[in-house]
Amino acid sequence: GQQVMQIPQYQHVQEGEDFTTYCNSSTTLSNIQWYKQRPGGHPVFLIQLVKSGEVKKQKRLTFQFGEAKKNSSLHITATQTTDVGTYFCAGLTGGFKTIFGAGTRLFVKA
Amino acid sequence: EAGVAQSPRYKIIEKRQSVAFWCNPISGHATLYWYQQILGQGPKLLIQFQNNGVVDDSQLPKDRFSAERLKGVDSTLKIQPAKLEDSAVYLCASRRLGGALDEQFFGPGTRLTVL
Repeated sequence: GQQVMQIPQYQHVQEGEDFTTYCNSSTTLSNIQWYKQRPGGHPVFLIQLVKSGEVKKQKRLTFQFGEAKKNSSLHITATQTTDVGTYFCAGLTGGFKTIFGAGTRLFVKA
Repeated sequence: EAGVAQSPRYKIIEKRQSVAFWCNPISGHATLYWYQQILGQGPKLLIQFQNNGVVDDSQLPKDRFSAERLKGVDSTLKIQPAKLEDSAVYLCASRRLGGALDEQFFGPGTRLTVL
Protein backbone atom coordinates (compact mmCIF):
# COMPACT_ATOMS: atom_id res chain seq x y z
CA GLY A 1 0.00 0.00 0.00
CA GLN A 2 0.92 3.65 -0.09
CA GLN A 3 3.49 4.61 2.48
CA VAL A 4 5.19 7.70 3.80
CA MET A 5 8.59 6.98 5.31
CA GLN A 6 10.27 9.44 7.61
CA ILE A 7 13.85 9.50 8.85
CA PRO A 8 15.54 9.66 11.23
CA GLN A 9 13.34 8.12 13.89
CA TYR A 10 14.90 10.38 16.50
CA GLN A 11 17.74 12.85 16.81
CA HIS A 12 19.60 14.35 19.74
CA VAL A 13 21.17 17.78 19.18
CA GLN A 14 22.92 20.35 21.27
CA GLU A 15 21.06 23.64 21.48
CA GLY A 16 22.21 25.81 18.61
CA GLU A 17 22.86 22.91 16.23
CA ASP A 18 20.81 22.38 13.11
CA PHE A 19 18.27 19.59 12.57
CA THR A 20 16.75 18.03 9.47
CA THR A 21 14.05 15.42 9.02
CA TYR A 22 13.24 13.78 5.69
CA CYS A 23 10.03 12.37 4.33
CA ASN A 24 9.64 10.04 1.34
CA SER A 25 6.45 8.82 -0.26
CA SER A 26 5.99 5.71 -2.36
CA THR A 27 3.65 7.67 -4.64
CA THR A 28 3.31 11.21 -5.95
CA LEU A 29 1.53 13.47 -3.50
CA SER A 30 -1.00 16.23 -4.07
CA ASN A 31 0.47 18.12 -1.15
CA ILE A 32 2.43 17.55 2.00
CA GLN A 33 1.75 18.94 5.44
CA TRP A 34 4.01 19.15 8.44
CA TYR A 35 2.84 18.87 12.04
CA LYS A 36 4.57 19.21 15.39
CA GLN A 37 3.55 17.22 18.44
CA ARG A 38 4.95 18.30 21.79
CA PRO A 39 5.44 15.56 24.41
CA GLY A 40 2.02 14.67 25.81
CA GLY A 41 0.28 16.87 23.28
CA HIS A 42 -1.52 16.50 19.99
CA PRO A 43 -0.28 17.24 16.47
CA VAL A 44 -0.39 20.91 15.50
CA PHE A 45 -0.26 22.02 11.89
CA LEU A 46 2.87 23.87 10.81
CA ILE A 47 2.67 24.28 7.05
CA GLN A 48 1.43 22.88 3.75
CA LEU A 49 3.44 22.58 0.54
CA VAL A 50 1.69 22.10 -2.78
CA LYS A 51 3.93 22.98 -5.71
CA SER A 52 6.79 20.95 -7.11
CA GLY A 53 10.10 22.30 -5.75
CA GLU A 54 8.35 24.63 -3.32
CA VAL A 55 10.34 26.09 -0.45
CA LYS A 56 8.75 27.88 2.48
CA LYS A 57 10.28 29.43 5.56
CA GLN A 58 8.92 30.11 9.00
CA LYS A 59 11.54 31.92 11.05
CA ARG A 60 14.18 29.20 11.71
CA LEU A 61 12.21 26.46 9.94
CA THR A 62 12.66 25.75 6.22
CA PHE A 63 10.36 23.34 4.42
CA GLN A 64 10.99 21.88 0.97
CA PHE A 65 8.87 19.82 -1.40
CA GLY A 66 10.74 17.75 -3.96
CA GLU A 67 10.52 18.24 -7.70
CA ALA A 68 8.74 14.92 -8.14
CA LYS A 69 6.38 15.69 -5.23
CA LYS A 70 7.41 12.46 -3.54
CA ASN A 71 9.75 13.78 -0.89
CA SER A 72 10.02 16.64 1.55
CA SER A 73 12.27 17.94 4.27
CA LEU A 74 12.08 20.15 7.32
CA HIS A 75 15.23 21.92 8.43
CA ILE A 76 15.56 23.81 11.70
CA THR A 77 18.44 26.24 12.01
CA ALA A 78 20.02 26.81 15.42
CA THR A 79 17.67 24.63 17.46
CA GLN A 80 16.24 25.86 20.73
CA THR A 81 14.79 23.90 23.64
CA THR A 82 11.34 25.01 22.53
CA ASP A 83 11.81 22.97 19.34
CA VAL A 84 11.59 19.72 21.32
CA GLY A 85 8.87 17.39 20.07
CA THR A 86 8.00 15.03 17.27
CA TYR A 87 7.75 16.32 13.73
CA PHE A 88 5.40 14.50 11.37
CA CYS A 89 4.96 14.83 7.67
CA ALA A 90 1.55 13.95 6.24
CA GLY A 91 1.09 13.37 2.55
CA LEU A 92 -2.17 13.85 0.71
CA THR A 93 -2.44 11.23 -2.01
CA GLY A 94 -4.26 11.50 -5.30
CA GLY A 95 -7.06 9.50 -3.72
CA PHE A 96 -7.47 12.22 -1.10
CA LYS A 97 -6.06 10.06 1.67
CA THR A 98 -3.78 11.63 4.25
CA ILE A 99 -0.93 9.36 5.27
CA PHE A 100 1.25 10.31 8.22
CA GLY A 101 4.90 9.41 8.52
CA ALA A 102 6.13 7.79 11.72
CA GLY A 103 7.65 11.07 12.86
CA THR A 104 11.08 12.24 13.94
CA ARG A 105 11.49 12.90 17.62
CA LEU A 106 13.82 15.81 18.35
CA PHE A 107 15.67 16.09 21.65
CA VAL A 108 17.51 19.34 22.35
CA LYS A 109 20.13 19.54 25.08
CA ALA A 110 20.66 22.96 26.60
CA GLU B 1 -12.90 29.61 17.79
CA ALA B 2 -13.29 26.61 20.08
CA GLY B 3 -11.07 23.65 19.28
CA VAL B 4 -11.87 19.99 18.77
CA ALA B 5 -13.29 18.49 21.94
CA GLN B 6 -12.81 14.87 22.97
CA SER B 7 -13.90 12.83 25.94
CA PRO B 8 -12.95 11.06 28.01
CA ARG B 9 -9.28 12.06 28.19
CA TYR B 10 -8.25 8.78 29.77
CA LYS B 11 -9.81 5.36 29.96
CA ILE B 12 -8.62 2.12 31.50
CA ILE B 13 -10.50 -1.08 30.72
CA GLU B 14 -9.88 -4.79 30.78
CA LYS B 15 -9.61 -6.81 27.59
CA ARG B 16 -12.90 -7.95 26.13
CA GLN B 17 -14.70 -4.94 27.60
CA SER B 18 -16.31 -2.24 25.47
CA VAL B 19 -15.42 1.43 25.30
CA ALA B 20 -16.69 4.50 23.46
CA PHE B 21 -15.04 7.80 22.65
CA TRP B 22 -16.73 11.05 21.74
CA CYS B 23 -15.57 13.88 19.51
CA ASN B 24 -17.04 17.30 18.79
CA PRO B 25 -15.27 18.95 15.84
CA ILE B 26 -14.81 22.64 15.22
CA SER B 27 -18.08 24.23 14.19
CA GLY B 28 -18.54 24.20 10.45
CA HIS B 29 -15.88 21.59 9.73
CA ALA B 30 -17.41 19.03 7.41
CA THR B 31 -14.57 16.52 7.52
CA LEU B 32 -13.86 14.50 10.64
CA TYR B 33 -11.12 11.94 11.19
CA TRP B 34 -10.43 9.32 13.83
CA TYR B 35 -6.80 8.29 14.23
CA GLN B 36 -5.09 5.67 16.36
CA GLN B 37 -1.65 6.67 17.62
CA ILE B 38 0.37 3.93 19.25
CA LEU B 39 3.26 5.13 21.40
CA GLY B 40 6.24 6.11 19.27
CA GLN B 41 4.32 5.95 15.98
CA GLY B 42 2.54 8.36 13.71
CA PRO B 43 -1.23 8.73 13.65
CA LYS B 44 -2.92 5.94 11.71
CA LEU B 45 -6.21 6.85 10.05
CA LEU B 46 -9.09 4.68 11.18
CA ILE B 47 -12.00 6.44 9.52
CA GLN B 48 -12.77 9.66 7.69
CA PHE B 49 -16.22 11.24 7.49
CA GLN B 50 -17.43 14.00 5.25
CA ASN B 51 -20.58 15.35 6.86
CA ASN B 52 -22.30 12.13 7.94
CA GLY B 53 -20.95 9.92 5.15
CA VAL B 54 -17.90 7.66 5.35
CA VAL B 55 -15.10 8.61 2.93
CA ASP B 56 -12.49 6.08 4.01
CA ASP B 57 -12.65 3.28 6.55
CA SER B 58 -10.19 0.93 4.89
CA GLN B 59 -8.00 0.64 8.00
CA LEU B 60 -10.81 0.32 10.53
CA PRO B 61 -10.89 -3.19 12.10
CA LYS B 62 -14.58 -3.58 11.47
CA ASP B 63 -14.92 -6.76 13.48
CA ARG B 64 -14.43 -4.75 16.66
CA PHE B 65 -14.39 -1.05 15.81
CA SER B 66 -17.35 1.06 14.75
CA ALA B 67 -17.88 4.75 14.29
CA GLU B 68 -20.77 7.00 13.48
CA ARG B 69 -21.47 10.64 12.81
CA LEU B 70 -25.22 10.65 12.63
CA LYS B 71 -26.02 14.35 12.28
CA GLY B 72 -22.81 15.33 10.55
CA VAL B 73 -21.46 17.05 13.64
CA ASP B 74 -20.14 15.08 16.59
CA SER B 75 -18.95 11.52 16.33
CA THR B 76 -18.44 8.43 18.45
CA LEU B 77 -15.88 5.65 18.05
CA LYS B 78 -16.56 2.34 19.75
CA ILE B 79 -14.41 -0.69 20.42
CA GLN B 80 -16.15 -3.94 21.27
CA PRO B 81 -14.49 -6.11 22.52
CA ALA B 82 -11.15 -4.45 23.27
CA LYS B 83 -7.82 -6.23 22.90
CA LEU B 84 -4.49 -5.48 24.54
CA GLU B 85 -3.11 -4.14 21.26
CA ASP B 86 -5.82 -1.44 21.20
CA SER B 87 -3.92 0.46 23.89
CA ALA B 88 -3.17 3.78 22.20
CA VAL B 89 -4.19 7.41 21.99
CA TYR B 90 -7.28 7.94 19.87
CA LEU B 91 -7.17 11.29 18.15
CA CYS B 92 -10.05 13.07 16.53
CA ALA B 93 -9.35 15.75 13.95
CA SER B 94 -11.52 17.99 11.81
CA ARG B 95 -11.00 20.00 8.66
CA ARG B 96 -12.93 22.65 6.85
CA LEU B 97 -14.18 21.59 3.44
CA GLY B 98 -12.88 23.66 0.56
CA GLY B 99 -10.25 26.34 0.77
CA ALA B 100 -6.58 26.15 -0.05
CA LEU B 101 -5.40 24.48 3.13
CA ASP B 102 -5.87 20.84 4.13
CA GLU B 103 -4.95 21.69 7.71
CA GLN B 104 -6.34 19.26 10.23
CA PHE B 105 -7.16 20.45 13.72
CA PHE B 106 -6.61 17.79 16.35
CA GLY B 107 -8.32 17.29 19.66
CA PRO B 108 -6.38 16.42 22.82
CA GLY B 109 -6.99 12.70 22.33
CA THR B 110 -8.23 9.88 24.52
CA ARG B 111 -5.54 7.68 26.03
CA LEU B 112 -6.84 4.11 26.22
CA THR B 113 -5.15 1.46 28.32
CA VAL B 114 -6.36 -2.11 27.93
CA LEU B 115 -5.30 -4.45 30.74
